[in-house]
Amino acid sequence: DAGITQSPRHKVTETGTPVTLRCHQTENHRYMYWYRQDPGHGLRLIHYSYGVKDTDKGEVSDGYSVSRSKTEDFLLTLESATSSQTSVYFCAIRGAGTGELFFGEGSRLTVL
Amino acid sequence: GESVGLHLPTLSVQEGDNSIINCAYSNSASDYFIWYKQESGKGPQFIIDIRSNMDKRQGQRVTVLLNKTVKHLSLQIAATQPGDSAVYFCAESGREYGNKLVFGAGTILRVKS
Repeated sequence: DAGITQSPRHKVTETGTPVTLRCHQTENHRYMYWYRQDPGHGLRLIHYSYGVKDTDKGEVSDGYSVSRSKTEDFLLTLESATSSQTSVYFCAIRGAGTGELFFGEGSRLTVL
Repeated sequence: GESVGLHLPTLSVQEGDNSIINCAYSNSASDYFIWYKQESGKGPQFIIDIRSNMDKRQGQRVTVLLNKTVKHLSLQIAATQPGDSAVYFCAESGREYGNKLVFGAGTILRVKS
């Protein structure tokens, strides 16, 4: 257990509504990541953070924003959800001194 | 549970046999590789990693082999058990990727009892 909690675990929303997913960690790790997982695409990086208020884009960042005001929380926001953002979203933290990532249990988002 | 890959390659093995899952990675400059296991409805779990200065690394019941010449990574699971049924992902990292992990699409392992 890497001490990562994602919320909500499941959400159904309508096109055009804002959505925020939360990732909370208890391990005080510096690096945090948001990935999305879709059939046939594996895991694709949306955004990541390397410290409080320090964030950067990943390969599929369009339509998403993130914020990290505290070490333990990394928020992913869809300002105006679209059906193409229906996916399973995973938060991850990077182990101290290693390159491996530890993942949360995922948040399934359905945009109707 | 969630379907993480409708058209992923599938490997079916008999319980007790050894499994070999293969991965072709993209970048010859990648210097760090990881295998993850993902069970239905769960997040990926770290299995084993290897750096490019090695060609083999062993864990508990698992072995990772790295062939840099052909950019090939494999995961061997000894005495495969029903609990090994999952989707397995390889991931690579290196300066070309800003030292972030880039994941493959995955392979489904089904263990027949």
